[in-house]
Amino acid sequence: QVQLVQSGAEVKKPGASVKVSCKASGYSFTGYYIYWLRQAPGQGLECMGRINPNSGGTNYAQQFQGRVTMTRDTSINTVYMELSRLTLADTAVYICAKAATRGDYYFDYWGQGTLVTVSS
Amino acid sequence: DIKMTQSPSSLSASVGDRVTITCRASQGIMNYVAWYQQKPGKVPILLIYAASTLQTGVPSRFSGSGSGTDFTLTISSLQPEDVATYYCQKYNSALITFGQGTRLEIK
Repeated sequence: QVQLVQSGAEVKKPGASVKVSCKASGYSFTGYYIYWLRQAPGQGLECMGRINPNSGGTNYAQQFQGRVTMTRDTSINTVYMELSRLTLADTAVYICAKAATRGDYYFDYWGQGTLVTVSS
Repeated sequence: DIKMTQSPSSLSASVGDRVTITCRASQGIMNYVAWYQQKPGKVPILLIYAASTLQTGVPSRFSGSGSGTDFTLTISSLQPEDVATYYCQKYNSALITFGQGTRLEIK
């Protein structure tokens, strides 16, 4: 069955970076975009960007440009999201999600979410 | 950027009620809309895609409609387990966006 398993919770200080992983299984890893979303406490869903696991190509949301880097390792079917220069406002649950088809960017499978807490 | 405006932001209804949530796009997006349900402490699950196609395994009391700029999610007979926050999402381009969410409670 399709699964996206994310790395565990992180606590970081302002100014630091965090790297979250998302390991995929149960489908053709290189066939579908993976998106990274985040959800601040009590807030809605925000798209950070996406990665093409086949080519490694990325598209980042404008508000994260320059601070976010998405990469992948096809040998272990894992994608990564690194966010730098963290501030208190980056405290959120970070979630990877699989695009449902090769051309439709809605999400049929989601990771379990990774809580990143930024605190001094 | 195309914005998705969802309403209402919160809603209280009785078991058995028909419930409708709406989402309006700032520009036409054909039928590139999905709807999700998110329960507290959980990640969202897909309910509807292509505006009106029910995802496999989703109860038939959920339905979606709309095209262009106006979309609706309807629950035909509200059940206690439907307490959740519901989000619409547009996906006509790589830059996907979500509505602000509708919190649904039982009266």
